[in-house]
Amino acid sequence: DAGVTQSPTHLIKTRGQQVTLRCSPKSGHDTVSWYQQALGQGPQFIFQYYEEEERQRGNFPDRFSGHQFPNYSSELNVNALLLGDSALYLCASSFQNYGYTFGSGTRLTVV
Amino acid sequence: KNQVEQSPQSLIILEGKNCTLQCNYTVSPFSNLRWYKQDTGRGPVSLTIMTFSENTKSNGRYTATLDADTKQSSLHITASQLSDSASYICVVSDLGAGSYQLTFGKGTKLSVIP
Repeated sequence: DAGVTQSPTHLIKTRGQQVTLRCSPKSGHDTVSWYQQALGQGPQFIFQYYEEEERQRGNFPDRFSGHQFPNYSSELNVNALLLGDSALYLCASSFQNYGYTFGSGTRLTVV
Repeated sequence: KNQVEQSPQSLIILEGKNCTLQCNYTVSPFSNLRWYKQDTGRGPVSLTIMTFSENTKSNGRYTATLDADTKQSSLHITASQLSDSASYICVVSDLGAGSYQLTFGKGTKLSVIP
């Protein structure tokens, strides 16, 4: 039974570019949440997707957007990248709000 | 504002020794409290989860306690091993009360040395 899968594992982008991160939830899970974790900090909530809709959003600008597909997988898009967007991006899946399971994350470096 | 504060920020202990990590929170309403272990550059892995009615929960050498009245929790690690070196994060949620996000502490970085 596969857990949460995130791709790619590492990514280097130039300031101003756009990036798309992907997440496949654990089997049986229908909800996907995205978190940003800066070095030495705890994860910060970006948003959560359920039934292909953004259900709740944290304190992140509109440059951060997402999507959930009918198979429950999800994408996180970040436009106009800033140096400060460099972080570990974590995806967590759950069934409703139960059984939160995290992926290994995507390490994004903006240069 | 919901907050989770952890102490100490970092800790170094000798292999085989015990240690206790602390977590104070102001999240309200409270649904549950979780402790996660996070290796550097990896995603968090769940150790324990407790609701307000639970005072203690164990997972092998890890034992978490919760005092919902004082809004404090602790994670006790017994007979530490080198593989216990990681960040330990306290996470509190008010899920089901109109919120769908978890509130994370900054973590305690534990180093176990031979």
